[in-house]
Parts: sequence; structure tokens; C-alpha cells
Amino acid sequence: SQQGEEDPQALSIQEGENATMNCSYKTSINNLQWYRQNSGRGLVHLILIRSNEREKHSGRLRVTLDTSKKSSSLLITASRAADTASYFCATNFGNEKLTFGTGTRLTIIP
Amino acid sequence: GAGVSQSPSNKVTEKGKDVELRCDPISGHTALYWYRQSLGQGLEFLIYFQGNSAPDKSGLPSDRFSAERTGGSVSTLTIQRTQQEDSAVYLCASTPGAALYGYTFGSGTRLTVV
Repeated sequence: SQQGEEDPQALSIQEGENATMNCSYKTSINNLQWYRQNSGRGLVHLILIRSNEREKHSGRLRVTLDTSKKSSSLLITASRAADTASYFCATNFGNEKLTFGTGTRLTIIP
Repeated sequence: GAGVSQSPSNKVTEKGKDVELRCDPISGHTALYWYRQSLGQGLEFLIYFQGNSAPDKSGLPSDRFSAERTGGSVSTLTIQRTQQEDSAVYLCASTPGAALYGYTFGSGTRLTVV
């Protein structure tokens, strides 16, 4: 399977702490994307990192990509209650569609 | 429109009935995708439309599933003779073209087969 796998499956942290989620995949990619899902409905695109990039920032989000290890991490700094959601990585292998991982359930404790 | 619109939001159907799910993508987006998500699971790819090209149907789980996209815009996913294992949230997404862009998702249709 070319599916990405997130780690951990679930994460609970105190508000204000940083949250780190990891994603591993199996084959070469064109890009890797992170999405957030609230309440089991539509996903929201957070950030896209291309295979020739190593790090990308967007607000409180920092994404790294290590193509030699076939892994990526998503760091959310200064977490807020509103960050409680499921986070998915998705990979594009050049065949025009994304393959999604199984997600990390993040809970921010006020 | 401003976003991807899906209807209905929720659908309860009896086993064996046919259902149609609708997706209205962002205007001008040439790529349209259908995924489904079972409870607590990741997203399973179903089908992909890109412009006037033949759709990628490689993810459709059985011949009971079909989809069409009329005029390069609205898409309909049809499930015939529904089974209980078809119960899931069906998500539609669109992009300006291919997965080089982030997807914009609709809010999904929650299908429950009883």
C-alpha cells in the first residue's frame, strides 16, 4: 500500500504546549500535504510541501519533510482548544490523486 | 460557488435501495475527487475526474458504484442496491487541476444504510 501512516494515533496535550505528529510513507512522492478534520466531516487543507523542500511554515504550523526517511512531521506551536481535531497526511505519487493516512486524533486540554 | 457543495448532508436509506449523492465543485476547478470515510477511519479513494479525460475509477469498490460528471462541473455518485457496509461519509473535493494543489473538500454526505 502507498498509504501514509500517522503516528501517534491519538495525542492529548495541555493548551499552550506544542503538538507534533509524524507521517511515514512508502514510495517516492511529488508532494505531501496535511489536512485537518473537525467532527468527522470535510477536511481543511493546511499546508503542502514539495519533494524538493525540507521545511515549510504557515502561522503556528511547521512541516518538515525527510525524503531519505520517507517521513514528515507537523508541529503545531502554542496549541489552542480550537486545534482539537483529526490531522491527516496525504501523499501525491504523481498519479494525480492523493492517498490519505489514517490520521492522528489531537485533543487540546484547556 | 465559493466552496464545494454536497447534497444531501445526511441520507438514510433501506438496504437494497439506490442512492444518488451530488457534488458541486468550485467554479473553474477542473479536477473532482470522491472519497469515502468509514467511522474512525482514513479516506478511501473512489474516483477522480480531470477535465475531459476518462475518469480514474480504480477506487470504486464494486460495480454497484458509479459516478458521472456532467459538463465538467456537477458530479453525481450513484450507489445501487445499497448494503450496510456502504454506510460512511462520502466526501467530494475539487482542485484547479490535479494533486499539485491542495484539495478543497465539501462537508460530505453521511450515508446510513439500515
